[in-house]
Amino acid sequence: GQNIDQPTEMTATEGAIVQINCTYQTSGFNGLFWYQQHAGEAPTFLSYNVLDGLEEKGRFSSFLSRSKGYSYLLLKELQMKDSASYLCAVRDSNYQLIWGAGTKLIIKP
Amino acid sequence: IAGITQAPTSQILAAGRRMTLRCTQDMRHNAMYWYRQDLGLGLRLIHYSNTAGTTGKGEVPDGYSVSRANTDDFPLTLASAVPSQTSVYFCASSPTGEVTEAFFGQGTRLTVV
Repeated sequence: GQNIDQPTEMTATEGAIVQINCTYQTSGFNGLFWYQQHAGEAPTFLSYNVLDGLEEKGRFSSFLSRSKGYSYLLLKELQMKDSASYLCAVRDSNYQLIWGAGTKLIIKP
Repeated sequence: IAGITQAPTSQILAAGRRMTLRCTQDMRHNAMYWYRQDLGLGLRLIHYSNTAGTTGKGEVPDGYSVSRANTDDFPLTLASAVPSQTSVYFCASSPTGEVTEAFFGQGTRLTVV
């Protein structure tokens, strides 16, 4: 079966750095996405990786290792507004998105 | 309309009733999707449409039907609602069927009692 694993919840301090991991086992791989979802709101796109390595976008970076079936989202200089759920999704061989359950990130002052 | 709009925002529905959730986008995206989101589970695909006039079944299609008469609209119908269909429903769209970035509507919170 297809499976996306990510931690259920993480806590970090304002101004710090946090890394959210995602491991996947899917039938084929055509890219990995990270989305942010604030409570009661729709998911919004953060990043996309299809090749191995690090993609940096401002305070957010995303890393991919296809051979290990592994990705992480790195958030720097954490702000209170970063409190949200972070969803990892993999596009499989049928070009459908398979979603993880999400990681709820709690930021403390 | 800007982006993708769902209606209603929330609904309480008696079991056995028929209900249509509406979804409209103005981005001229070819592909549209319906997901349900339940606590502790990832988004699960119900139905999708890669282009107007075509639809396909996702991971959890039972009890739901869709139509895609034109590019903009992608309604989701529950023929006879059951309590297990209590969920938050998200409609999404992307430029093509080969999913690039997906844009989501604000969601419909449905409670079946």
